[in-house]
Amino acid sequence: GEDVEQSLFLSVREGDSSVINCTYTDSSSTYLYWYKQEPGAGLQLLTYIFSNMDMKQDQRLTVLLNKKDKHLSLRIADTQTGDSAIYFCASVSGYALNFGKGTSLLVTP
Amino acid sequence: ETGVTQTPRHLVMGMTNKKSLKCEQHLGHNAMYWYKQSAKKPLELMFVYNFKEQTENNSVPSRFSPECPNSSHLFLHLHTLQPEDSALYLCASSLNALAPDEQFFGPGTRLTVL
Repeated sequence: GEDVEQSLFLSVREGDSSVINCTYTDSSSTYLYWYKQEPGAGLQLLTYIFSNMDMKQDQRLTVLLNKKDKHLSLRIADTQTGDSAIYFCASVSGYALNFGKGTSLLVTP
Repeated sequence: ETGVTQTPRHLVMGMTNKKSLKCEQHLGHNAMYWYKQSAKKPLELMFVYNFKEQTENNSVPSRFSPECPNSSHLFLHLHTLQPEDSALYLCASSLNALAPDEQFFGPGTRLTVL
């Protein structure tokens, strides 16, 4: 299987919370990242969590890490139409990041 | 210019053409990366340069040839490509490839091989 796995699609209504889930295999990854990609643009770092933490909150974003299950999630509170994008989970491996295939988030009015 | 820039943004080429993609970073970083983003596949790391030295070549075919003349510039020379090489090619930079660190991405070059 892939090193990092994510569900491919998520659709939510504006104002609801979105939860994007990710599983990874590399337990030695010291950091785990969430990147956002808007249409026609490169990836932009949203937030990251150090592997010895289990939660990090940053304004509307909450990252939860279950290191035992190698499960990472990103919760976006009060989701807005501008949050529609592809969200990538990434673990660190050697010199580079291992990315999932990305979750396409669609926010409907 | 700020951040990571890539030119051209779009490129269409035939299988016998030779072209180059350019990446430039204005962040004072020492590491630069080439990634390939294909539809329905995870981002694939192609090459890593740290302080102008190539530290990783992720089994990339020789029709892709990277060049890193200095820490701010990275090129990807393309020659005799195949249609399956059509993808978005993303450049990224970070402070140092030896430490897990935030990578800053350029907007990418959308490549179509006919």
